[in-house]
Amino acid sequence: QVQLQESGPGLVKPSETLSLTCTVSGGSISSYYWTWIRQPPGKGLEWIGYIYYSGSTNYNPSLKSRVTISVDTSKNQFSLKLSSVTAADAAVYYCARRVAVRGYYGMDVWGQGTTVTVSS
Amino acid sequence: AIQMTQSPSSLSASVGDRVIITCRASQDIRNDLGWYQQKPGKAPKLLIYVASSLQSGVPSRFSGSGSGTDFALTISSLQPEDIATYFCLQDYNYPLTFGPGTKVEIK
Repeated sequence: QVQLQESGPGLVKPSETLSLTCTVSGGSISSYYWTWIRQPPGKGLEWIGYIYYSGSTNYNPSLKSRVTISVDTSKNQFSLKLSSVTAADAAVYYCARRVAVRGYYGMDVWGQGTTVTVSS
Repeated sequence: AIQMTQSPSSLSASVGDRVIITCRASQDIRNDLGWYQQKPGKAPKLLIYVASSLQSGVPSRFSGSGSGTDFALTISSLQPEDIATYFCLQDYNYPLTFGPGTKVEIK
């Protein structure tokens, strides 16, 4: 059974770079679209972007200038970097596996989420 | 970006009631829509994909319908464990966008 686990600092200073890693266990990172989603406190869900196992990426235009998602297939991990953070970037960050094949589109496996606070 | 709206934003119903949540897309998204359940403090969970297909392991009281711009999630008989917020997500094009959510409570 595939499981995802986010890791990284829970506190980031304004203007610095948020860095999170998602470790995939119980299965291979090959295939699938590995995705980051965030949820500010008390608010809805925002899709940040994905990386395909081959390395191709797609980012939300609202964050594109500040986001980098990378993959390390040897470690079965993928990572998120968000630069120049502000208080608006404080959220629970989730990693998820997205399946996108004919007849099936969905994020079927999620990490538990990690809370990131932005404060000096 | 495609805008997703949901109604109602919250509802209160009794155990055993039939509950319907609707989701509308700002443009035609065929049937590329999923429904997710999020319980407090937990990650979302996929319930329905491609508008009407039940994800493995999800109780059959959940069902989805619709295509184009208008979709619905139905809980045929509300159970106490269904207390959660429900989100729709359009999977038609990028950026993927979620609806604002519907909070379901027990009366």
